[in-house]
Amino acid sequence: EVQLVQSGAEVKKPGESLKISCKGSGYSFTGYWIGWVRQLPGKGLEWMGIIYAGDSETRYSPSFQGQVTISADKSISTAYLQWSNLKASDTAMYYCASAPDVSGIPYYFDYWGPGTLVTVSS
Amino acid sequence: SYVLTQPPSVSVPPGKTASITCGGNNIGSKSVHWYQQKPGQAPVLVIYYDTDRPSGIPERFSGSNSGNTATLTISRVEAGDEADYYCQVWDSSSDPHVVFGGGTKLTVL
Repeated sequence: EVQLVQSGAEVKKPGESLKISCKGSGYSFTGYWIGWVRQLPGKGLEWMGIIYAGDSETRYSPSFQGQVTISADKSISTAYLQWSNLKASDTAMYYCASAPDVSGIPYYFDYWGPGTLVTVSS
Repeated sequence: SYVLTQPPSVSVPPGKTASITCGGNNIGSKSVHWYQQKPGQAPVLVIYYDTDRPSGIPERFSGSNSGNTATLTISRVEAGDEADYYCQVWDSSSDPHVVFGGGTKLTVL
């Protein structure tokens, strides 16, 4: 059974750093991409970026380039999303999702994690 | 950048057919994928590559894609189908990336 297990909810202050995780199991982690998707309260899905677990090739949405860092440790089948300077506007649910690799392209997300709620408040 | 346009809401009585559209420039040349998101839950893939259904998704869910519009069709709508639905493509432009539509709230009357 494919599972993506995300780290627990976080409450942080503006200016703090944060790293959340997404651990995959039940499939070949290194043969898939892991994407990160933001959902602001009451809003739609926003793609943030994606990493190929096999070689850590990473692509970012222009909206999030420079704002977050996506990484992966294939030895423990885990992908990460991190911030160095959180803002109140980063308050949202963050989902990781796996995407099969098709000739180097992650066309769609076949499995999703349950989400990590990040709250940034002074 | 590539834009996907969905109607904010669609309402349908139970037992009827719901059609949710996703508009984009020449979207028929791209592969479209659809996700269902119920309140408080993570999204679930319901259609991929325009028409394919993942295992476990009822045959009532189908998709089509041509010209400038892709459509998710849900036949014999049930109360449990009430959810937000999102279309998504991979835009293979000079800066390849994932694009989501704005989402459509399906209400079962």
